[in-house]
Amino acid sequence: ETGVTQSPTHLIKTRGQQVTLRCSSQSGHNTVSWYQQALGQGPQFIFQYYREEENGRGNFPPRFSGLQFPNYSSELNVNALELDDSALYLCASSTGGPNTGELFFGEGSRLTVL
Amino acid sequence: DAKTTQPPSMDCAEGRAANLPCNHSTISGNEYVYWYRQIHSQGPQYIIHGLKNNETNEMASLIITEDRKSSTLILPHATLRDTAVYYCIVRGGDYGQNFVFGPGTRLSVLP
Repeated sequence: ETGVTQSPTHLIKTRGQQVTLRCSSQSGHNTVSWYQQALGQGPQFIFQYYREEENGRGNFPPRFSGLQFPNYSSELNVNALELDDSALYLCASSTGGPNTGELFFGEGSRLTVL
Repeated sequence: DAKTTQPPSMDCAEGRAANLPCNHSTISGNEYVYWYRQIHSQGPQYIIHGLKNNETNEMASLIITEDRKSSTLILPHATLRDTAVYYCIVRGGDYGQNFVFGPGTRLSVLP
């Protein structure tokens, strides 16, 4: 148990739709990161939020966006869904900063786009 | 791209030590070596990390070579529950740097 919870655990959408995934961070963690994990691959960094602002972004298009709230919970929004967006989406919280940056991952939200 | 290379798969007998190697020949002076593992259908789990000294915790030991170009994760007494994909990651100490996961090593612990 990492104290990071994600919802929903599974969902199915069709191409062109929009999706919102939610993450509740571990208590006291002010940094949240989102990762996309395609089948058989390692997680790929999407972006990171610190104190409600984006603080780093991977190679993902603008239709991937996020929010972090004052209680440090977070949302990942994906617009105009494509088939290749089918993946496990992982949220991870941390305290940030050097040498204290180990990530605590949730169990993920598995998105299937048809 | 990941800064590390790992063998794609390894087997280990239950009860024996599992030694997982990782090469990171381009590591910089302020970059740490992190190890995570991912059991099927779960989120990755932090195992251990280090800068240049060997580290040990309740889960594993991390041995980093003197030139820091490679490291080995040691699970001293592997159990069936240690079957997972193990990721070796190099990450800077600067704030905001993300973790770059490669494909990892799939460790199978055999009875």
